[in-house]
Amino acid sequence: KQEVTQIPAALSVPEGENLVLNCSFTDSAIYNLQWFRQDPGKGLTSLLLIQSSQREQTSGRLNASLDKSSGRSTLYIAASQPGDSATYLCAAADGANNLFFGTGTRLTVIP
Amino acid sequence: NAGVTQTPKFQVLKTGQSMTLQCAQDMNHEYMSWYRQDPGMGLRLIHYSVGAGITDQGEVPNGYNVSRSTTEDFPLRLLSAAPSQTSVYFCASSRTTGRHEQFFGPGTRLTVL
Repeated sequence: KQEVTQIPAALSVPEGENLVLNCSFTDSAIYNLQWFRQDPGKGLTSLLLIQSSQREQTSGRLNASLDKSSGRSTLYIAASQPGDSATYLCAAADGANNLFFGTGTRLTVIP
Repeated sequence: NAGVTQTPKFQVLKTGQSMTLQCAQDMNHEYMSWYRQDPGMGLRLIHYSVGAGITDQGEVPNGYNVSRSTTEDFPLRLLSAAPSQTSVYFCASSRTTGRHEQFFGPGTRLTVL
């Protein structure tokens, strides 16, 4: 069974800092890896999807990388803003498109 | 497009009651799924469907039923609610399996007393 771990569980940074969120998974036979953002009491918003054949994806200030062989993905957020405060979830997809989620990193960006 | 919609937003049930959580999408997605989110455990897959008439079990299917009679709708039925089913339930959809971004609904917060 796929196990997904996210470290750290919580992170607090001053505004403007660059930061990295980590995600690791135990089974490298994934089809893709997706990063989500979740605001308190809300649903999940998709941020980036990396296919298994890709090494990284970028969207604005966000960059996600994938190393299947080592079972790791990172989400890099540049020049963090208070509006980036949320919980960030990573999820690995199997061949049936079912997602296995980590427990998330709760990010607080301090103005 | 409304995307993925879920009703109700909140629900309180008594132990033993049954109810149906509704999920609909207007993106003509073949794949739909249900997850539950519990504190400290992340989201876990309950049931999924790869098309109308096809459903399968996920990681935590016990106590839940699903059916998929149309592409748009994927209701989740709680047969006899238990306090252990207190959770936030999310529905998701995507295009064909394996390589496509998944879109999530806003969730239903269920409390079973």
